[in-house]
Amino acid sequence: EAAVTQSPRSKVAVTGGKVTLSCHQTNNHDYMYWYRQDTGHGLRLIHYSYVADSTEKGDIPDGYKASRPSQENFSLILELASLSQTAVYFCASSDFRGAGDTQYFGPGTRLLVL
Amino acid sequence: GQQVQQSPASLVLQEGENAELQCNFSTSLNSMQWFYQRPGGSLVSLFYNPSGTKHSGRLTSTTVIKERRSSLHISSSQTTDSGTYLCALERSNTNKVVFGTGTRLQVLP
Repeated sequence: EAAVTQSPRSKVAVTGGKVTLSCHQTNNHDYMYWYRQDTGHGLRLIHYSYVADSTEKGDIPDGYKASRPSQENFSLILELASLSQTAVYFCASSDFRGAGDTQYFGPGTRLLVL
Repeated sequence: GQQVQQSPASLVLQEGENAELQCNFSTSLNSMQWFYQRPGGSLVSLFYNPSGTKHSGRLTSTTVIKERRSSLHISSSQTTDSGTYLCALERSNTNKVVFGTGTRLQVLP
């Protein structure tokens, strides 16, 4: 079965601090995604990547950077964390058809920015 | 505006009852997916259903692209079906998936 893991599972950060969320997949999938989930908004796409060393902006990329150093790893970076970035963050992967293929999700990271 | 609308927003059933969840979309799409989100937060893919009808146990998904809708039918509901059901579509000519805000289902014993 497809496996996507995230670390940390939860984090408390201070406003203005740097936060890095990590995602690792063992599916050998080309595509990886970062979403955030807020109450009443469902999931929204932040960044995605279809190949190592390349990332693409999603629908809400402002305030976030992404890094794909290898096929297996995809990080989300908040250089200057803000209160509005408190949310649950999900990583996902899918095969070569990208968003048109089934997505497999990690367990999520709960981020609280104080 | 919201590209993916789900209804109802919440639903309470008695165990054994059936449920029909709706997903309507205002944009052209390549495919539709249904996910189940457990009360603890993790997401599980239920169906990848670009068109037509698919069955999986007590679940049935029907997507009619021309009518811009997809539905998820749950038969003989169980308390373990409680959680949030999300539909998501892949917008045409993009690699992006847009999610609905979900239907929160509670099945009472």
